[in-house]
Amino acid sequence: QVQLVQSGAEVKKPGASVKVSCKASGYTFTSYGISWVRQAPGQGLEWMGWISAYNGNTNYAQKLQGRVTMTTDTSTSTAYMELRSLRSDDTAVYYCARRGEYDDYWGQGTLVTVSS
Amino acid sequence: DIQMTQSPSTLSASVGDRVTITCRASQSISSWLAWYQQKPGKAPKLLIYKASSLESGVPSRFSGSGSGTEFTLTISSLQPDDFATYYCQQYNSYSSFGPGTKVDIK
Repeated sequence: QVQLVQSGAEVKKPGASVKVSCKASGYTFTSYGISWVRQAPGQGLEWMGWISAYNGNTNYAQKLQGRVTMTTDTSTSTAYMELRSLRSDDTAVYYCARRGEYDDYWGQGTLVTVSS
Repeated sequence: DIQMTQSPSTLSASVGDRVTITCRASQSISSWLAWYQQKPGKAPKLLIYKASSLESGVPSRFSGSGSGTEFTLTISSLQPDDFATYYCQQYNSYSSFGPGTKVDIK
């Protein structure tokens, strides 16, 4: 069965970086992409971007351009999302999702807290 | 960027009610629209893709319709498990979500 298992919760100081992992299983990793979506406390879903696991091509949300990098390691079927120069408003649950045309399977979410 | 809106933002309903949620796109997205259900502390769950295609395993009381800029999600007979927040998502150009519709108990 398709599973996406994300890394554990993180606490970071403003200005630091965080790297969240998403390990996929139960399907051919390179046949799909991985989307990243975040949700601030009590707020809605925000699309962050997408990476093709086939060729590494990326599309990032304009507001995060320059601060976010998405990568994949096909040898371990793992996707990564790194966010730099963290601010308090980056505090959120970060989700990865399998992306074909749409996002069908989701990880359990990773809480990233940015606090001094 | 394509902006998505949803109405209403909150909907109070009773078990057995027919519920309709509307999603609008700021420009045409053809049928590249998905609907998700999210419960507190859980990841979103895919209900509908390509505007009207029911995801495998999703109860048939959920249905989607629309194309272009206006879409609807309908729950034909609301069940206790359906009280949740619902989001639409366009995937025509990059991606973006609507602000969500919370369905709560009347």
